[in-house]
Formats: sequence, C-alpha cells, structure tokens
Amino acid sequence: QLVLTQSPSASASLGASVKLTCTLSSGHSTYAIAWHQQQPEKGPRYLMKLNNDGSQRKGDGIPDRFSGSSSGAERYLTISSLQSEDEADYYCQTWSTGVVFGGGTKLTVL
Amino acid sequence: EVQLVESGGGLVQPGRSLRLSCAASGFTFDDYAIHWVRRAPGKGLEWVSGISWNSDNIGYADSVKGRFTISRDNAKNSLYLQMSSLRAEDTALYYCAKVDGYTWGYFDYWGQGTLVTVSS
Repeated sequence: QLVLTQSPSASASLGASVKLTCTLSSGHSTYAIAWHQQQPEKGPRYLMKLNNDGSQRKGDGIPDRFSGSSSGAERYLTISSLQSEDEADYYCQTWSTGVVFGGGTKLTVL
Repeated sequence: EVQLVESGGGLVQPGRSLRLSCAASGFTFDDYAIHWVRRAPGKGLEWVSGISWNSDNIGYADSVKGRFTISRDNAKNSLYLQMSSLRAEDTALYYCAKVDGYTWGYFDYWGQGTLVTVSS
C-alpha cells in the first residue's frame, strides 16, 4: 500500500535552516512526490515536484530558499533563511491509482 | 493567472445533500485533470475525488465512495462535487486542485476552499 510518512512537527529559529522528511512506503521508493505548504487560514500552495533522482520543478514564485532532495525512499524539503511566514503545515503528496497525502508536518519558527 | 474558485459550501443536516462547484480560469480547462481535496478541523489534507480531462477516468477515496459524485463541464470551465448522505465527519474545508497532467499527478494550483459543515 502506498503510504507517505511525515513527522508531525518541527521547529527551527528565525534565519536558520530546517529539513523536513517524507518517507515513501516499502516498494514505492522510486515514486515522485510534491511538496505543498498551507499557511494558517489559507489554501494550500504548491511548492515543488520532487523526483527520485532529486530533480525538481518548483511552482510559480517559489523562492530559492526552498529546495528539495531525495535519498532512497526519503524525500526532503529544506527551507533556508527561515522567515516568520514559513510557519505553516507542510504536506507531501504522491499518486498512483489514487492520490495520497502524508500526515503533514507543522513547522514552528522560533 | 490560474484561478480556482470554490462555492456551494454551507451548513447542512446529516443525511442531506450538497453540491460544490469550482470555477476555473487562466488555463485551458479541458487539458487537465482536476480533483477535490478536503481538510477537516484539526486534521491534515485528505484526497476526496479526481476526474481526468475528458471524464473517462474518475476516482474516489473509500471514505466517500458511493456517496459523492464528481463531474465536470468543460464548456463552462467548471468542476462539481455532488455530496449525498452527508455525515458529521464530512465537515471540512473543500478545495479544488488542478493536476499538471491529464489524469492523476501532482497538484500545481489550489483554490481557497469552501466550508462544509454537517450538523443538526
């Protein structure tokens, strides 16, 4: 079964960097995913598509501070130079016969 | 500019029906699949249903299968979700999301959502 696993929470200081992880279930390590951000009281926003080779395609207007990387079944989202507006929920998403979301990571900027 | 604008949400009693709409603009609507995703209070994003560019490929989450029906009208650049036999657990913000492709794939644009509250 295709499942995405994310840590429920993460925190980092203003101006620092943070790396969020999304893990694909066994047998699905080559799948591409997408990262989405949902700020409080807003609709989700597409950040990037991330392939298993680490190549990525960002959404319109997504700053260079957001980058993705891959290793095996792990897909990462790194946010550098953290700003207060980066405090949000971050979801990974993939697809097969249906669409699957990870449980989301709530990022707190200290 | 791509825009997705949901409407049709509201307060509805358990067991009743509701129809959501999503008006799309800024892209060639009938070139892309489009989906419904929801977020219940205190929970994460949950995929609800999706429909391919020509309506040949349709899918539903198990939680709504048999109760919800997705459809689209390419002439009107619109997506719909007919929801019936509504339950309290269907209470959520409902978003439409455009796929970067004909069928299933990643969502590259989202709407702002419409709130559905199921309560007596």
